[in-house]
Amino acid sequence: IAGITQAPTSQILAAGRRMTLRCTQDMRHNAMYWYRQDLGLGLRLIHYSNTAGTTGKGEVPDGYSVSRANTDDFPLTLASAVPSQTSVYFCASSAQRNTEAFFGQGTRLTVV
Amino acid sequence: DQQVKQNSPSLSVQEGRISILNCDYTNSMFDYFLWYKKYPAEGPTFLISISSIKDKNEDGRFTVFLNKSAKHLSLHIVPSQPGDSAVYFCAASAGGNTPLVFGKGTRLSVIA
Repeated sequence: IAGITQAPTSQILAAGRRMTLRCTQDMRHNAMYWYRQDLGLGLRLIHYSNTAGTTGKGEVPDGYSVSRANTDDFPLTLASAVPSQTSVYFCASSAQRNTEAFFGQGTRLTVV
Repeated sequence: DQQVKQNSPSLSVQEGRISILNCDYTNSMFDYFLWYKKYPAEGPTFLISISSIKDKNEDGRFTVFLNKSAKHLSLHIVPSQPGDSAVYFCAASAGGNTPLVFGKGTRLSVIA
C-alpha cells in the first residue's frame, strides 16, 4: 500500500542518547516534512525538504537534524535527547506546492 | 507569532446538527488552505482544501468557506455524525515551496 512509513512507532529513550526516527515514502513526492505534535500546541514544523539534496529549518529546529540523500527517505536525528523532546513526531510528504500533504502514523517518543 | 489560529480548543455538537469550526490567519501571502482530521494514535488525514481564488468548496457533508478580506475560513459539517468526533486542524500555505503552517486544532465531539 502506497504511503508513508515511520519507524519506530514508539520509543522510550534515555536523556543524552542519540536517536534517529525513520521516514520512508513510496509516492515519489518531492517535498517531505517533520512535525511534532504537543498538547495545546498543535503541529509544529521541525525541518523540511523541498527536494532530494536540500533541507530547510522550520519553526522548532533546535536539537534536531535531517538529511535527504534520496527522494524516498527523510530521517530525523536527535543528537542528544532531552526531556522536552518528548512528543509525537509526524513525517509528511507532498507532491508539489498547493497540494495536500500526506502524513505517516507517527512516532511517540518519550525521553526520560 | 501564530500565523494560523484556531481559537476554540473544543466544540460539542449534537448528532444531526451542523458543526462549524473556525480558523483565522494573519499572513496575507497564504493562498491555499486545508483542513485535516486526526483521530487518536493516527496521523492527520486530509479532509478538504480551498484555493484563495475561491470562496467556497464543497465535498459531501463538508464545506469550507474562505473570507479573504477577514482572513478567516470555516469548515461546516452537516449533518454531524459521531464518527466525525476528532481533532480538526486548519493549515495554510504561502506561495513557492513553503511548508504548511498548522493551527493548534479544535477537538470536535459529536454527541449521539
